[in-house]
Amino acid sequence: QVQLVQSGAEVKKPGASVKVSCKASGYTFTSYGISWVRQAPGQGLEWMGWISAYNGNTNYAQKLQGRVTMTTDTSTSTAYMELRSLRSDDTAVYYCAGGDIWGQGTMVTVSS
Amino acid sequence: QSALTQPASVSGSPGQSITISCTGTSSDVGGYNYVSWYQQHPGKAPKLMIYEVSNRPSGVSNRFSGSKSGNTASLTISGLQAEDEADYYCSSYTSSSRVFGGGTKLTVL
Repeated sequence: QVQLVQSGAEVKKPGASVKVSCKASGYTFTSYGISWVRQAPGQGLEWMGWISAYNGNTNYAQKLQGRVTMTTDTSTSTAYMELRSLRSDDTAVYYCAGGDIWGQGTMVTVSS
Repeated sequence: QSALTQPASVSGSPGQSITISCTGTSSDVGGYNYVSWYQQHPGKAPKLMIYEVSNRPSGVSNRFSGSKSGNTASLTISGLQAEDEADYYCSSYTSSSRVFGGGTKLTVL
């Protein structure tokens, strides 16, 4: 069964960092890049960036440059997204997507 | 990067057809044949319905179709069914990044 399974919900304080994982199964991990998309409560989708699972090349949204890092571990077929210097407006559900498959989403809440 | 422009809401009766538009610029929708459409039910992850303007992933009903003219892409849903009620988002490639539309809420009357 082709699927992406993400890590669980996180609660962080402003200024902290969060790292969300996305484990792939049922397909060859290096066949597709992984995109990260977030959705603030009641809002639309926002593209955060993309990483090639084949060679690790990345492409980040301009507004997140310097705060986000995307990585992969091909030995475990897992992609990671780390967001630093968290603010309240980073509160959102974070999704990973590869090919036409999406993860279930990870809720990240930033609150003091 | 500015979001693509979608109508906030559309509605239709069961069995009817509806079309959702997605307007961008020559730097995104008009410049590349990499427009995708996603369906999202409340509390669920988005689901890819159309990719590369008009292609359907395996398993997606042929009631869903996509097209593009100039800087505007469109998603058409024919034979509306109750389960089509959801939010729909377009997305386009744009010079090494992607941009989403603001989303359209489809109500099946």
